[in-house]
Amino acid sequence: DAGITQSPRHKVTETGTPVTLRCHQTENHRYMYWYRQDPGHGLRLIHYSYGVKDTDKGEVSDGYSVSRSKTEDFLLTLESATSSQTSVYFCAITPDPAGPQHFGDGTRLSIL
Amino acid sequence: KQEVTQIPAALSVPEGENLVLNCSFTDSAIYNLQWFRQDPGKGLTSLLLIQSSQREQTSGRLNASLDKSSGRSTLYIAASQPGDSATYLCAVSSGTYKYIFGTGTRLKVLA
Repeated sequence: DAGITQSPRHKVTETGTPVTLRCHQTENHRYMYWYRQDPGHGLRLIHYSYGVKDTDKGEVSDGYSVSRSKTEDFLLTLESATSSQTSVYFCAITPDPAGPQHFGDGTRLSIL
Repeated sequence: KQEVTQIPAALSVPEGENLVLNCSFTDSAIYNLQWFRQDPGKGLTSLLLIQSSQREQTSGRLNASLDKSSGRSTLYIAASQPGDSATYLCAVSSGTYKYIFGTGTRLKVLA
């Protein structure tokens, strides 16, 4: 399995609080992605990174920001969490965007 | 805007049956298409990736085909086993970095 670790694996927090999710990889892959998975919507891309400090928006980026200061870490931040951001969040990596993506085990985030 | 559809949403079959899962997409200008497997509480595992220039890919009991002109891909699973029970998702890349996912087919193989 590709070396991808997401933390925390589960989190419960309150509306209005800041939340940061971490994706850590040991594969030295250039490309990293954050997705959310919701019933009836499948996986939707939030943000992605194509190198250190190089990031761009996906289809559901509103309310989220990302940072990548090192190859191995890609952080997803909810500045002020809302109940609509309750979801399962997945990180994925790949050395080549034309190649297969490898996923972490996800973070289950509940915002009350 | 690319849309990806997977029908049926759920499927139950007896062990040993050969089965086909379907994936359709609205824009034929794709880079590639991936099939994934997802077990409950887990992330996605890439099964097969088909480049836009290819017609099919095979791995063990799995065979995926791609027909861009009709906007369809199928995942064929031969001699299904209870261990094949999972949700199967397809994803289409229409640009350099971005994939659009279907909502998946939840497969249950009965022993």
